[in-house]
Amino acid sequence: AQRVTQPEKLLSVFKGAPVELKCNYSYSGSPELFWYVQYSRQRLQLLLRHISRESIKGFTADLNKGETSFHLKKPFAQEEDSAMYYCALGGGADGLTFGKGTHLIIQP
Amino acid sequence: DGGITQSPKYLFRKEGQNVTLSCEQNLNHDAMYWYRQDPGQGLRLIYYSQIVNDFQKGDIAEGYSVSREKKESFPLTVTSAQKNPTAFYLCASSKAPPGYNEQFFGPGTRLTVL
Repeated sequence: AQRVTQPEKLLSVFKGAPVELKCNYSYSGSPELFWYVQYSRQRLQLLLRHISRESIKGFTADLNKGETSFHLKKPFAQEEDSAMYYCALGGGADGLTFGKGTHLIIQP
Repeated sequence: DGGITQSPKYLFRKEGQNVTLSCEQNLNHDAMYWYRQDPGQGLRLIYYSQIVNDFQKGDIAEGYSVSREKKESFPLTVTSAQKNPTAFYLCASSKAPPGYNEQFFGPGTRLTVL
């Protein structure tokens, strides 16, 4: 069965500090991984996906198949990064499998 | 915003009543999904539909029903059989597989059972 684990419910860092939100997955096939973000009072939206290998809003995420991880990183946190972040796995014909989310708080 | 809409934003239901949540999209997407979002639980898939007149159960389909009579619409009915229906419900749509296309989410409906 496919599974996504985000070990941190809450992550608080100071502005300007590096951020790493952890995501590990379990899937037997070739995974497709995403990070979604939900800012306060806004709808859930795609932040980035591993196949595009983009940097969005300064965030990057590298798929590590050996460690089955897809951690989200940003070298210098900004206050506007405060939000709920969900890691998601696509691996079948149905919808995405989401992790339980990490609430990121950036302190001034 | 636009593209995918949900109504109403807030919904109150008495115990024992069925209630229907609306989801409409004008993105010409074939696939539509319903998720339930609970604090600390992330999003869990209720039902999904890859094409008109066809839908499949997700991980937590018990107590819910859906229909897909039109490409644009995918209403969700929360029945009295759902034991704990108070939650935030999210609808999403995407282009059809193969491959994984971005899912676009609606603003959500918060259902409260009184």
